[in-house]
Amino acid sequence: ETGVTQTPRHLVMGMTNKKSLKCEQHLGHNAMYWYKQSAKKPLELMFVYNFKEQTENNSVPSRFSPECPNSSHLFLHLHTLQPEDSALYLCASSQDKGYTFGSGTRLTVV
Amino acid sequence: KNEVEQSPQNLTAQEGEFITINCSYSVGISALHWLQQHPGGGIVSLFMLSSGKKKHGRLIATINIQEKHSSLHITASHPRDSAVYICAVLMDSNYQLIWGAGTKLIIKP
Repeated sequence: ETGVTQTPRHLVMGMTNKKSLKCEQHLGHNAMYWYKQSAKKPLELMFVYNFKEQTENNSVPSRFSPECPNSSHLFLHLHTLQPEDSALYLCASSQDKGYTFGSGTRLTVV
Repeated sequence: KNEVEQSPQNLTAQEGEFITINCSYSVGISALHWLQQHPGGGIVSLFMLSSGKKKHGRLIATINIQEKHSSLHITASHPRDSAVYICAVLMDSNYQLIWGAGTKLIIKP
């Protein structure tokens, strides 16, 4: 356990489903991130929250909707996804220069 | 050209060999991370470097700020070292990470 907990670890969803990914950290970090890792590609930054405020949205389609209710929790709400959205979704948190990563959610869209 | 370049992309070696993975970058950084990703996904931070050299067990990481280059070494490699090793630099402008493409390492018994 790294200190950043992601649930679920695996998720299979249909294109018409709505689901949410959850990330939780109690490290006292002030920034949280969602990354997407597709097969054989570098990690892509999706969203950044600093002190619960979204500071970065890297042209992510609106079918991905982040929510950061407090500095310890981060959600990624998913709806009407496409098969090409199948990937590993990683959450991370940071304080200054140090980053901690979750174990990821392996998402398959069918 | 990518801002963070890793080499080699793939590396297969025999157990016991000395392994070197390289990372070059072109942006101003405040730190460089070496991370390990096993099949199944989870990423583990191995080192964070701002200068010099760090050692943890059989792993050694070095960085040359002037040359914008870092290396990760594994001594007495073991099959359990098989993983993807990723270099990521922390930009000095906004503390966000720029990722290398990773080096897939396979250690054969």
